[in-house]
Amino acid sequence: DSGVTQTPKHLITATGQRVTLRCSPRSGDLSVYWYQQSLDQGLQFLIQYYNGEERAKGNILERFSAQQFPDLHSELNLSSLELGDSALYFCASSVIQGGHGYTFGSGTRLTVV
Amino acid sequence: EDKVVQSPLSLVVHEGDTVTLNCSYEVTNFRSLLWYKQEKKAPTFLFMLTSSGIEKKSGRLSSILDKKELFSILNITATQTGDSAVYLCAVYNDYKLSFGAGTTVTVRA
Repeated sequence: DSGVTQTPKHLITATGQRVTLRCSPRSGDLSVYWYQQSLDQGLQFLIQYYNGEERAKGNILERFSAQQFPDLHSELNLSSLELGDSALYFCASSVIQGGHGYTFGSGTRLTVV
Repeated sequence: EDKVVQSPLSLVVHEGDTVTLNCSYEVTNFRSLLWYKQEKKAPTFLFMLTSSGIEKKSGRLSSILDKKELFSILNITATQTGDSAVYLCAVYNDYKLSFGAGTTVTVRA
């Protein structure tokens, strides 16, 4: 157990729907990062939050949004889902903003049918 | 755009063989290069390299970085079936890790 908790572990939903993925960072970690891993794209950086504030954005679609709450857990919202959004979504956390030593959660596998 | 390229994409070896994995990169504001091992789920951290020419070792795994030529190699000696995994190279700049596509290593008994 890495200390980074992601729920749910698996999610199957239909196209056009909206889902929320949840991440609780390791105790003491203030930064949360979201990554998408699909078969043809590898691990792609989506977005980073530090202590409740958005700090960096990567290849995140407009249909996707995220936030980090005062208790430091984070949620990634995916809407108007398409088949191509099927992927593993990882959350990682680190102590400081821009920390090298990410700890990854075990991921949420999203399947859009 | 930041680029991290790993080669080969996959390889199959027999137990006891040595494997060498390659990672080349082009990123702005390079800070460090990291290697991860990914089995079925989350990537697990292996090494972080920041200085050129200094080898990091952990058991049968070792890695070295060449900042002038912008590449790194990961060596695994005396491979075991438990080494079968995807090995990911990632480069850290100011705020994010950029990952390569990974090398899938299969070790046959």
